[in-house]
This record gives sequence, structure tokens and C-alpha cells, in this order.
Amino acid sequence: GENVEQHPSTLSVQEGDSAVIKCTYSDSASNYFPWYKQELGKGPQLIIDIRSNVGEKKDQRIAVTLNKTAKHFSLHITETQPEDSAVYFCAASWWSFGNEKLTFGTGTRLTIIP
Amino acid sequence: GAVVSQHPSRVICKSGTSVKIECRSLDFQATTMFWYRQFPKQSLMLMATSNEGSKATYEQGVEKDKFLINHASLTLSTLTVTSAHPEDSSFYICSAGEDEQFFGPGTRLTVL
Repeated sequence: GENVEQHPSTLSVQEGDSAVIKCTYSDSASNYFPWYKQELGKGPQLIIDIRSNVGEKKDQRIAVTLNKTAKHFSLHITETQPEDSAVYFCAASWWSFGNEKLTFGTGTRLTIIP
Repeated sequence: GAVVSQHPSRVICKSGTSVKIECRSLDFQATTMFWYRQFPKQSLMLMATSNEGSKATYEQGVEKDKFLINHASLTLSTLTVTSAHPEDSSFYICSAGEDEQFFGPGTRLTVL
């Protein structure tokens, strides 16, 4: 299997500032690392992902960096807005019985202060 | 992205009854779907992998006789919680996809 740790568990930032969430994983064979945003009472929404053949990926205000040697990856949100407030989960993939499965981190509750 | 739906969105049942939750891929075919459980303020925990046309595989600690999974078509997987008890109350979420996993909106199960 896979073990994923995520930090911090809660994060408050002033609107307009940047937010960074970090995750580490244990399985060196993992090659897919998605990030999800979950709002209260809803299912997780994929916001960005990265595969192990690249070190960084950016999509407007959101970026993800991956360090395979250190087995950690990070989510960066710039110019934060109130609607960015939610719980964010990282995940790492692992293979079992021919299926690529995901193990999730423990989540980060991000609060954007207006 | 692809759309995954779940039905019902919430269900309340009495202890000892069985509850069926449906997961549908609306605009794509899914040979594999995943079922997760999420307790309040906790992370998503993978329960089982549903494969179309074959038996589901369950993660360690998940009772396969209690959580029955059927994946009879390429767009539908069902999870039946048999003889539900209050400790089964949780948020059940399915996902599907090939290169990316898209999640359904979840089903809130409350067992009285």
C-alpha cells in the first residue's frame, strides 16, 4: 500500500496571500499525485495533478511541485480568494490487482481571511 | 471533466435494514469504480474496487459480506450496506475514471 502524510491540518491566510500545503508519501513506485478540493457536504473535486515524469505543473493560480527523490509534493495557491476556503486533500497512487488506487492525505482546512 | 453521479444524496434508515447506493458515470464508460467512506472531519478511506463483470476487491478491514458491491454495467456500480448499524453512518463516495479519478457528490448515510 501507500502512506501519505499531509501538513498543515489547518491553514489561515489573508486574502491575496499565498498558501502552501505539503505532502509526503512512502511508496517510491507511486507515479500519480492529484490534489482535491472538498467543500462541505460535497464530493472531492480534482483541481490539479502531476505525474512523476515532471517536476512542476501550473494552472492559473494553482501549482504543484514534485520531488521524487525526497518523496514529497506540494500545492501552491497564489492570490488567494475567499472561494478558495475549503478542505484540500493530496493523494498518491499505488497499484494493486491491476488497478491504480489512491491513498489520501489527512486533509488541510484552508481558510481565507477577507 | 467527466461527471459521476450518486443516488441518493442522503438516506436515513433504521438499524438492521439494508441500503443501496448507486454510482453512475454519466458521460463515459467505467470498467473500474472505487468506493470510499469518509467520517466527519476525516480523510477518504478506500473501501473497495469495483470491476465491471467481476468480483469487487476489498481493502483490509472492510467486510465484503456487509458491503456488497455490484458493477453490472460500464456506467453503474452499486454499494449495498447490509444490516446497517449506527456505526455505519458515514459519507460514502464513489469515483471513476481512467487517467484521472472523478468523484461523485457523495451519499450521507444515517443509521438510527
